[in-house]
Amino acid sequence: GENVEQHPSTLSVQEGDSAVIKCTYSDSASNYFPWYKQELGKRPQLIIDIRSNVGEKKDQRIAVTLNKTAKHFSLHITETQPEDSAVYFCAASVAGRETSGSRLTFGEGTQLTVNP
Amino acid sequence: NAGVTQTPKFQVLKTGQSMTLQCAQDMNHNSMYWYRQDPGMGLRLIYYSASEGTTDKGEVPNGYNVSRLNKREFSLRLESAAPSQTSVYFCASTRIRAGGKQFFGPGTRLTVL
Repeated sequence: GENVEQHPSTLSVQEGDSAVIKCTYSDSASNYFPWYKQELGKRPQLIIDIRSNVGEKKDQRIAVTLNKTAKHFSLHITETQPEDSAVYFCAASVAGRETSGSRLTFGEGTQLTVNP
Repeated sequence: NAGVTQTPKFQVLKTGQSMTLQCAQDMNHNSMYWYRQDPGMGLRLIYYSASEGTTDKGEVPNGYNVSRLNKREFSLRLESAAPSQTSVYFCASTRIRAGGKQFFGPGTRLTVL
């Protein structure tokens, strides 16, 4: 089955700096890569996702890049703010299978702390 | 639109007791999922239902059973709770044509003494 590894497990940055979180996956059939943000005591919230036919996607201060050959994808947050502090999870799946659903395999998470 | 809802929010059980966690979605999604999240860890898939009438095991199914009651509802049952099942349980759903975007419920915090 799919295996997703995420690094680093903790990341501390100063407000205004950039943060980068990296994930690798093992299943070459994976074609959908979402990123979730989870604040303490809350549910995971989808913040950005990318499909395997796209190399990069950007949404305001966040961007995701995908390297299919190397099987890794990264989350980039620019101009970090204290409210960006949370746990971030990457995930991978083979999306679009009507008979088996879209099983997400999650990384173990990165605790991002943005210091004012 | 309530999205994905879960009940109860909190539960304390004694070892050996049973209970059912309820999940419902009002987004007309085809697929539904149950995850558990242990402290400092990611989410692990327990069971999922790709469509109404089907259920399949995920990564950590032992000690659990599920029922896809209808398109809206997907329940998770612990027949004989164990302390190792102390966790936060999240339900999620997705529409197949949406290409995998999963939306999560607020979670159920379960403690087994």
